[in-house]
Amino acid sequence: EVELLESGGGLIQPGGSLRLSCAASGFTFSSYAMSWVRQAPGKGLEWVSAISGSGGSTYYADSVKGRFTISRDNSKNTLYLQLNSLRAEDTAVYYCAKDLGTVTTYYFDDWGQGTLVTVSS
Amino acid sequence: SSELTQDPAVSVALGQTVRITCQGDSLRSYYASWYLQKPGQAPLLVIYGKNNRPSGIPDRFSGSSSGNTASLTITGAQAEDEADYYCNSRDSSGNHVVFGGGTKLTVL
Repeated sequence: EVELLESGGGLIQPGGSLRLSCAASGFTFSSYAMSWVRQAPGKGLEWVSAISGSGGSTYYADSVKGRFTISRDNSKNTLYLQLNSLRAEDTAVYYCAKDLGTVTTYYFDDWGQGTLVTVSS
Repeated sequence: SSELTQDPAVSVALGQTVRITCQGDSLRSYYASWYLQKPGQAPLLVIYGKNNRPSGIPDRFSGSSSGNTASLTITGAQAEDEADYYCNSRDSSGNHVVFGGGTKLTVL
């Protein structure tokens, strides 16, 4: 059974940094692209970033490009998202999502339960 | 990037058929996928590609596409189908993803 467990969220001041982690189990992690998708309180879903199975290709939404960095450690079955220069509008639940393919198909067939990031002074 | 537009809310009588739509220019080039989300839960993939259902998704869920519009049809809606529904697809660049704003489905 696929399991995705996010961690690392919390309360952070504007301009601060945070690193989110997503520990994966139940599938061959390196064989699948992964994404981060966020959801602001009471709002809809917003794709944030994606990474191929090998980690060689990365993609970012315009809203986070240059501030967030996605990475993965296939030896540890873990996905990461480094969040820098945080803004109030980055406040959201951050989900990691497993892609159907090794390269990005953007069909997300498994999701974690999310970790809440709150940016506030 | 492109946008995907969904009706904010739709209702359906128990056991009847409902169609939820998603409009956007990128849908002329890419198939949508559809997710349902219940309060306090993570999204769940229900349809992807031309009309594919992941394992465990009931066959009352189906997808279709025409021009710039993708549709999710629930044939014989059940009380447990009440949820927020989101579509997504690649944007016009092909390397980014866009989500629709979501449709709240009420089963009466």
